[in-house]
Amino acid sequence: DARVTQTPRDKVTEMGQEVTMRCQPILGHNTVFWYRQTMMQGLELLAYFRNRAPLDDSGMPKDRFSAEMPDATLATLKIQPSEPRDSAVYFCASGLTGPVGNTEAFFGQGTRLTVV
Amino acid sequence: SQQGEEDPQALSIQEGENATMNCSYKTSINNLQWYRQNSGRGLVHLILIRSNEREKHSGRLRVTLDTSKKSSSLLITASRAADTASYFCATVLIQGAQKLVFGQGTRLTINP
Repeated sequence: DARVTQTPRDKVTEMGQEVTMRCQPILGHNTVFWYRQTMMQGLELLAYFRNRAPLDDSGMPKDRFSAEMPDATLATLKIQPSEPRDSAVYFCASGLTGPVGNTEAFFGQGTRLTVV
Repeated sequence: SQQGEEDPQALSIQEGENATMNCSYKTSINNLQWYRQNSGRGLVHLILIRSNEREKHSGRLRVTLDTSKKSSSLLITASRAADTASYFCATVLIQGAQKLVFGQGTRLTINP
């Protein structure tokens, strides 16, 4: 089965450390999303890419977060330095967007980040 | 800020009953989608309805869309215990780069 793969599944780190989360989108998908889920804020869109180009990262704190797609098989989300308020589940999703923009998103299992 | 808002935030019903969840949104959309999330898992796409459609069915799911009221509903008929999950609506806006924005979700509990 084609699926979105995220690593690591769980990450516990100390405040101030760099955190890198990785995502392998489904082969052939041209759109990649990064979301953060917390009880208080729900699902927040952090960034997304179309054909590896960043389209919108307005939901991402620019001073500490960065998102990249070094190639079509890898998307990364980095936090440097990490803070306790970054603790959340981070989801990557990919999809195939056609001319009319109907993107069905396929989600990975998420990375549960805990910053202590 | 969230584009979509689900109502109710939580719903508990008996197995076999129908469950209805609602979603309201603020700006014009290209399409609206419903997703399901089991505890501790990623979201799973259920159904997509385009802005020019009013109703869509998929198995026990029925989705309606009223663009004049900027609202959608998801009906699950003959609910089962396995339907227990959180349900989210997501909108793709007409304006901008067609990003997928989620609401806060409805937590549905089906009691056996």
